[in-house]
Amino acid sequence: AQKVTQAQTEISVVEKEDVTLDCVYETRDTTYYLFWYKQPPSGELVFLIRRNSFDEQNEISGRYSWNFQKSTSSFNFTITASQVVDSAVYFCALSEPSQGGSEKLVFGKGTKLTVNP
Amino acid sequence: EAGVAQSPRYKIIEKRQSVAFWCNPISGHATLYWYQQILGQGPKLLIQFQNNGVVDDSQLPKDRFSAERLKGVDSTLKIQPAKLEDSAVYLCASSLEAYSSYNEQFFGPGTRLTVL
Repeated sequence: AQKVTQAQTEISVVEKEDVTLDCVYETRDTTYYLFWYKQPPSGELVFLIRRNSFDEQNEISGRYSWNFQKSTSSFNFTITASQVVDSAVYFCALSEPSQGGSEKLVFGKGTKLTVNP
Repeated sequence: EAGVAQSPRYKIIEKRQSVAFWCNPISGHATLYWYQQILGQGPKLLIQFQNNGVVDDSQLPKDRFSAERLKGVDSTLKIQPAKLEDSAVYLCASSLEAYSSYNEQFFGPGTRLTVL
C-alpha cells in the first residue's frame, strides 16, 4: 500500500529564515501524483502543488519551491525567506488507486511550521 | 466562486449519541469526499462519491457511519452511535471528477466533533 512519511513533526524558525519540509513516499505504481497542501489554523486545506511521476523538474512559485527526486522517493518543499503567515501545518499526499478505478489521496501526518517574528 | 460549505463547524456530543454533518460541494463538481482527521494526523478518506454513487467506502466503519449524496449534490455523513475515538475533524472535499489525478480537491473548513 502507498505510504507517505513526513518525519518532521514540528519545525520552528525565525522570520526570513529558509525552511525545508521533507516528504518521503512509497508506492508500487509507476504513474502517480504527489501533492502538497497547507492547513492554516482556520482548518481549511489549501492546495499548493501537484506533480506527476514523470516530471522531475523542480518547480518554483514565488517563495515556494519543490524538489522531486524519484531516485530517493522524496518530494521536499522549501519556503525561502519565511514569513509569519507561513505558519501552518503542511501535508504531503500521494495519489492511490481506489475502488472503482478512481484515485484517492493518502496523506502524511503533516509538519507543523511555526514562523516567529 | 463559492467554496465547499460545511455545517456545523463545531459539535459536542456524548458517547452513544448520534450526529450528522452536512456538506455542499462546489457547483458542478461531480466527486465528493469525506475525510476524517484525527488530531496530529493527516486526513483519512472515509468515503468517495461520484455523482450520487459510492466509488470507495473501504475505510468507512459501516457499523456506525453512514453517508449519502442524494441527487448528486449535497451530502450528509452520520455517526450512530458515536464513540470517544470518533472525536476528530470531518473534512468534506470536492473535485470535478474522480477518474483523473489531475483534479484538484477543494476542501471545506471542516466540522470539529468532540465526543465526551
